Amino acid sequence: DTAVSQTPKYLVTQMGNDKSIKCEQNLGHDTMYWYKQDSKKFLKIMFSYNNKELIINETVPNRFSPKSPDKAHLNLHINSLELGDSAVYFCASTTGKVETQYFGPGTRLLVL
Amino acid sequence: ILNVEQSPQSLHVQEGDSTNFTCSFPSSNFYALHWYRWETAKSPEALFVMTLNGDEKKKGRISATLNTKEGYSYLYIKGSQPEDSATYLCAFTRGSTLGRLYFGRGTQLTVWP
Repeated sequence: DTAVSQTPKYLVTQMGNDKSIKCEQNLGHDTMYWYKQDSKKFLKIMFSYNNKELIINETVPNRFSPKSPDKAHLNLHINSLELGDSAVYFCASTTGKVETQYFGPGTRLLVL
Repeated sequence: ILNVEQSPQSLHVQEGDSTNFTCSFPSSNFYALHWYRWETAKSPEALFVMTLNGDEKKKGRISATLNTKEGYSYLYIKGSQPEDSATYLCAFTRGSTLGRLYFGRGTQLTVWP
């Protein structure tokens, strides 16, 4: 059973398009995250939700909008995609604020 | 800006060698230190979470220590195997921003057979 899953795994799209990435966790966790792995392989936090409430919102362009329909799902919608958005996006979840975070397999986004 | 520094950036060892890497973090307002193992094309997997000064954790051939007063943690691998090849990430949690992990850039370990 996959604990944290992301779809799609790969996404190739044209500049200017709007796309969504979905994340689901079946661990019963309350808190979910989106991270971006930059070109230097560095993991940067983007957003965090706790029980559908936004608790962390780092400085990211407002073209990125997270949505949490329920505590098991955290989706990321990106408007007007730009070349610089090409990266690997990881979803993660955790039971509590200092507990281990469990990561999804990543979504590899390529904007042409 | 919180700096979590890891050294070395990369490391190449022979199978059977023991190795260790360092993670440095701000010692003020410390809450927890996490170590993750990240294989290429996979997702990071948790190794340890440590919260107390002097904590030592062990998982098979991998162990870690924590010094919160001086702000560092060591990760040790005894008798490295090729399957240990991965990037080892540490991440720090502050008391004032619980739930947020500040990641280092990782140490990339390659173990040659």
